[in-house]
Amino acid sequence: DFQLTQSPSSVSASVGDTVTIKCRASHSVRNWLAWYQQKPGTAPKLLISAASDLAGGVPSRFSGSGSGTDFTLTISSLQPEDFATYYCQEASSFPLTFGGGTKVEIK
Amino acid sequence: QVRLQESGPGLARPSETLSLTCNVSGGSTAYYYWHWVRQHPGRGLDWIGRIYYTGGTSYNPSLTSRLTISLDTPKNQFTLRLMSLTAADTATYYCARSPSGSPRVYFDAWGQGILVTVSS
Repeated sequence: DFQLTQSPSSVSASVGDTVTIKCRASHSVRNWLAWYQQKPGTAPKLLISAASDLAGGVPSRFSGSGSGTDFTLTISSLQPEDFATYYCQEASSFPLTFGGGTKVEIK
Repeated sequence: QVRLQESGPGLARPSETLSLTCNVSGGSTAYYYWHWVRQHPGRGLDWIGRIYYTGGTSYNPSLTSRLTISLDTPKNQFTLRLMSLTAADTATYYCARSPSGSPRVYFDAWGQGILVTVSS
C-alpha cells in the first residue's frame, strides 16, 4: 500500500524560529503533493499545492520543496498563529492519502 | 466565496446507516469534484470518496462495500451514505472540494466538519 511518512510527529519551537517538516512517499509522486494546516476544532486549510505552489492568501513564510519521494515544508520566522498540525497529501492516485501529521507546539 | 456546510446526526447506532449532507453555497457544483474526508478522534485524515459534478464516483476501497455518495445538483448539495456502522466509524466527517481540469487532487475548500459518534 502507498504510504506518506511525515517526520517528526511533533516539534517544539519558539516564535521566530524556522521549522522544517519532512514528508516521504513510498513511491514517486512527481510533484503531486500538497500541504495543509489544521488548528484544533477546525478543518484543514490548503497551504501548498504541486509541492511548492503557495495557495492564495498564505503568508510567504511558508514554503514547500521536493519532488519524487521526498518533500519539505518550511515555516520561516514562526508566528503565534502557526502553532498547529500540518499534513502532507498525495494528489496523484487513489485512494488519496494523507501523512500522519506533524504537530508544531510552543516551546 | 464558496461555503460548505455538513449536516446530519451527531449520534448513530451500530449496524445502522449514516446519512450526511453537504450544502454548497456561494458557488455551483459544476466543474468540481466533491469529497468526503474523515478524521478519527485524535488521528489523521482519511479520504472516504468523491463525486464529480457529472455524477461519476470514486471510493476508498476500504469503504466501497458500505458507501454511496450522491449529488443533488438543483439543491447544490451532495450526500454520504455509510451502511453497517460500527464504533470504528466514529469520526469527524468533512466535506471538501477539489477543482477539475487537472489530474492532481487538492482540497481548496472544506466544511467545518461534523462529529459523528456511533454508539448504542
